[in-house]
Amino acid sequence: GIQVEQSPPDLILQEGANSTLRCNFSDSVNNLQWFHQNPWGQLINLFYIPSGTKQNGRLSATTVATERYSLLYISSSQTTDSGVYFCAVDSGGSNYKLTFGKGTLLTVNP
Amino acid sequence: EADIYQTPRYLVIGTGKKITLECSQTMGHDKMYWYQQDPGMELHLIHYSYGVNSTEKGDLSSESTVSRIRTEHFPLTLESARPSHTSQYLCASSWGNQPQHFGDGTRLSIL
Repeated sequence: GIQVEQSPPDLILQEGANSTLRCNFSDSVNNLQWFHQNPWGQLINLFYIPSGTKQNGRLSATTVATERYSLLYISSSQTTDSGVYFCAVDSGGSNYKLTFGKGTLLTVNP
Repeated sequence: EADIYQTPRYLVIGTGKKITLECSQTMGHDKMYWYQQDPGMELHLIHYSYGVNSTEKGDLSSESTVSRIRTEHFPLTLESARPSHTSQYLCASSWGNQPQHFGDGTRLSIL
């Protein structure tokens, strides 16, 4: 099946810093989603981005489907950004199942 | 945000009990999914459904079972809970090839 690798596994920032999280995948995809899992375990949709660039406030994401990677940018980080960021992909066809990466644990210190 | 609800939010229960985790969505989504997540780990798909009376096993083997007799409802059942079933279980739904939306999860602890 499709492989999803996220980097870095852990990231510690000071409040106000910027960061870039990366997601590499091993095959073409129909669907790519970025999620934020908060300390209470809730999984929040950030972006649905199988290709192109999207922005939502301080967060933006870019997927380069031909090169099989996606980037999540966080600018002016806040302590509430802490948590685990997951990338998940669906390899397409009639297969609508998501395969998750292992996540990036982000800690933003005040 | 999508309306998908999971109950209970937390459950601590003894070994050997029968457990049903509830998942309901109000968007009329055709597809529903159950994922299992151990602490600090990624999510793994254990069951999915593409519509009423359709259920399939996911990529991770699970002793749980599911049913889909109504579009909006996708319960997960463990006939006899064991400590190895301790985990977080997350339910999701989607329409067509649109993004999946997740419930808040159930944290299950088997003593």
